[in-house]
Amino acid sequence: DVQMTQSPSYLAASPGESVSISCKASKSISNNLAWYQEKPGKANKLLIHSGSTLQSGTPSRFSGSGSGTDFTLTIRSLESEDFAVYYCQQYNEYPLTFGSGTKLEIK
Amino acid sequence: EVQLVESGGGLVQPGRSLKLSCAASGFTFSNYYMAWVRQAPKKGLEWVATISTSGSRTYYPDSVKGRFTISRDNAKSSLYLQMNSLKSEDTATYYCARRGYNNPFDYWGQGVMVTVSS
Repeated sequence: DVQMTQSPSYLAASPGESVSISCKASKSISNNLAWYQEKPGKANKLLIHSGSTLQSGTPSRFSGSGSGTDFTLTIRSLESEDFAVYYCQQYNEYPLTFGSGTKLEIK
Repeated sequence: EVQLVESGGGLVQPGRSLKLSCAASGFTFSNYYMAWVRQAPKKGLEWVATISTSGSRTYYPDSVKGRFTISRDNAKSSLYLQMNSLKSEDTATYYCARRGYNNPFDYWGQGVMVTVSS
């Protein structure tokens, strides 16, 4: 199984700042990596697929990079609505696996 | 607007069975692979099952293989998850999700809670 190691597990930042979240796969997954946003009371939202392609509706302050085993989600100029939990997920092979999540809180 | 609405959750004793349903609307259900993903309390996301458009192919992780069965009724735009021999570690919120053409899950339901306890 492909293990997805996500870091940090917790991140505190202020509105306007930029943050990055790392996701490392235990073996190459090409660019078959997605990022999701989880907020209380809302359905999970797909932000980025194929490692770096923004899903329709995802604000341009979000960006994804990487391929192979190392991936990064960057959020520039944080807005209040961005404080949430973020997960990465590989869909290169079964079983599909997720990272353990990063909780982004307001400092 | 794509909508996925889960139902059928609740409290069940260990070893018993439960069947979840997901009603889909706002898209041509038969054109998409569908899946179930779960989240145990205070834990991360875990993929549970995926089914092909026709239902002929299904995929499961080892943690549920042989106990859970995913199925669909394209005429009713509905997805199901039959859960047998339930264990306490199956306690979680279960989400119905659509697999997009690019392969990740592009739409999710709000989830339904399943508690396995005596």
